[in-house]
Amino acid sequence: DVKVTQSSRYLVKRTGEKVFLECVQDMDHENMFWYRQDPGLGLRLIYFSYDVKMKEKGDIPEGYSVSREKKERFSLILESASTNQTSMYLCASSQRALDEQYFGPGTRLTVT
Amino acid sequence: GENVEQHPSTLSVQEGDSAVIKCTYSDSASNYFPWYKQELGKGPQLIIDIRSNVGEKKDQRIAVTLNKTAKHFSLHITETQPEDSAVYFCAASNEAGGGADGLTFGKGTHLIIQP
Repeated sequence: DVKVTQSSRYLVKRTGEKVFLECVQDMDHENMFWYRQDPGLGLRLIYFSYDVKMKEKGDIPEGYSVSREKKERFSLILESASTNQTSMYLCASSQRALDEQYFGPGTRLTVT
Repeated sequence: GENVEQHPSTLSVQEGDSAVIKCTYSDSASNYFPWYKQELGKGPQLIIDIRSNVGEKKDQRIAVTLNKTAKHFSLHITETQPEDSAVYFCAASNEAGGGADGLTFGKGTHLIIQP
């Protein structure tokens, strides 16, 4: 079974802190994605990567950056966390761009 | 870019009845339409998908229909059971573009199965 793991289920950070959310997949997938999920807004794509060291902006990249140094690992970085970045963050991976995406369990981030 | 509208936002049905969730999309070039189910405390999981070369696809109690002319697609769940209670998301994308823009998701439908 494909497994996507995220480093934390719950995270509380202060405004202005630098935050790292880590995601690891174990199926040698080419593509990895970061979404945020907010009530009434569904899933919105922040960034995605189709290869090591490659990244593409999604629909809401402002305030975020990403890093993919190894194929299995995709990190989301909040350079200076703000309260409006309080959300559920979901990581996903797929073999090809439009194959089934396998999601991790999510990280609920609270910025105070 | 693509825009996906999903209705209703909440749907309550009696156990054993059918449930229908509808989505519309804006980009006529979209040709891949997956549906994901998200249970409480978990990430979304693909339950069925359809590509634009077919109009309907079934998998046991679940079916998806696609009307490319009208740019809408629907999820049908028959003989609903308590384990069907979850949030369902539709999505759309364009395979011809290599999926470079990824999936665009609807806002989700909270399906509640009443015993």
